[in-house]
Amino acid sequence: EVQLLESGGDLVQPGGSLRLSCAASGFIFSSYAMIWVRQAPGKGLEWVSGISGSDGSTYYSDSVKGRFTISRDNSKNTLYLQMNSLRAEDTAVYYCAKDGSDGDRLDYWGQGTLVTVSS
Amino acid sequence: DIQMTQSPSTLSASVGDRVTITCRASQSISSWLAWYQQKPGKAPKLLIYKASSLESGVPSRFSGSGSGTEFTLTISSLQPDDFATYYCQQYNTYWTFGQGTKVEIK
Repeated sequence: EVQLLESGGDLVQPGGSLRLSCAASGFIFSSYAMIWVRQAPGKGLEWVSGISGSDGSTYYSDSVKGRFTISRDNSKNTLYLQMNSLRAEDTAVYYCAKDGSDGDRLDYWGQGTLVTVSS
Repeated sequence: DIQMTQSPSTLSASVGDRVTITCRASQSISSWLAWYQQKPGKAPKLLIYKASSLESGVPSRFSGSGSGTEFTLTISSLQPDDFATYYCQQYNTYWTFGQGTKVEIK
């Protein structure tokens, strides 16, 4: 059974940093791209960042480029999101999601972890 | 960047109704489109991928169609469990979601 378990969400001050983790199980982690999606309170879904399974290529939305870094440790089956220079508008539930075998769907999602940026 | 626009933003319907949600892409995305259902406090759930392929385990009352820039999600006979928010997502270039369509009880 595929499972994705996010952790690391917390209350942080503006300008601070936080690292999110997503522990994966039930599939060959290194074979699949993974992405982070966030949802601000009462708002829609927003893609944040993605990383390929094969060569580790990374992708970022304009809203986080230069501040967030996505990475993965295939030996630990874990996805990470390092978030620096956090802003109030980064407040959201952050989900990790697994890409499908043909890169055409997000077929499994974690339960989400809440990041609150506030003084 | 590719923009995705859903309509309507809110839809009021009754159990048994046929419901259609539209998603438009700002440029052609071929058939690289997925649909998700989300209920309050829960993670999104995949319904449809490649515009019209039904994800395993999803009821057959859900269907998707379209290609290029215009896509639709149809629920043939709305059930109580279907009241939720629905999102389209493009896969042609990175990943972009529509703003969501909330299906509420009429």
